[in-house]
Amino acid sequence: DQQVKQNSPSLSVQEGRISILNCDYTNSMFDYFLWYKKYPAEGPTFLISISSIKDKNEDGRFTVFLNKSAKHLSLHIVPSQPGDSAVYFCAAAPWGAQKLVFGQGTRLTINP
Amino acid sequence: DTAVSQTPKYLVTQMGNDKSIKCEQNLGHDTMYWYKQDSKKFLKIMFSYNNKELIINETVPNRFSPKSPDKAHLNLHINSLELGDSAVYFCASSQVPGHNNQPQHFGDGTRLSIL
Repeated sequence: DQQVKQNSPSLSVQEGRISILNCDYTNSMFDYFLWYKKYPAEGPTFLISISSIKDKNEDGRFTVFLNKSAKHLSLHIVPSQPGDSAVYFCAAAPWGAQKLVFGQGTRLTINP
Repeated sequence: DTAVSQTPKYLVTQMGNDKSIKCEQNLGHDTMYWYKQDSKKFLKIMFSYNNKELIINETVPNRFSPKSPDKAHLNLHINSLELGDSAVYFCASSQVPGHNNQPQHFGDGTRLSIL
């Protein structure tokens, strides 16, 4: 039973444009959501997070939006840069819990 | 000055062998984890230790035994390796979740290949 889903296995975006990565979840107990970025042969690197008391969190070029009623979150990257090409994982957990549940990842390719 | 380091990076071995993967973190975190990324690329938690105490033990065969000699180290020992154990294993660490959740920081993974 996949509680966190990233339905787009890949996404290709022009450099300078906006990249939007989507994530859906089914467990209403999830209160804490994270995005990780992963390059080949490296571990996932924490990018940005959001708690359920907010609907938006911004950090530089990265913004995460949370729609609790739709059980949906998205990561916006603007402007997209070639170094953003990586696999992006969405993850979720109940508040205070240590057990992160990951989506299967979306491979983002930024084209020059 | 790698924050979470795991060794070896690659491990190729025969079915039936016993092997260990080591993990160390220098972030001063209290909690450490082992994750498995299978061929379908799903990252799934296996174990979590908080200050040397086992907190999370997912449905993992008892051939897998984590050992935490201190809170900065969490090693993974695997007995009688099987073909299905081939995967990338990631170690991670974080502060203890409290009023503010803390992100987990990952090592670069150990790619285990069973022949």
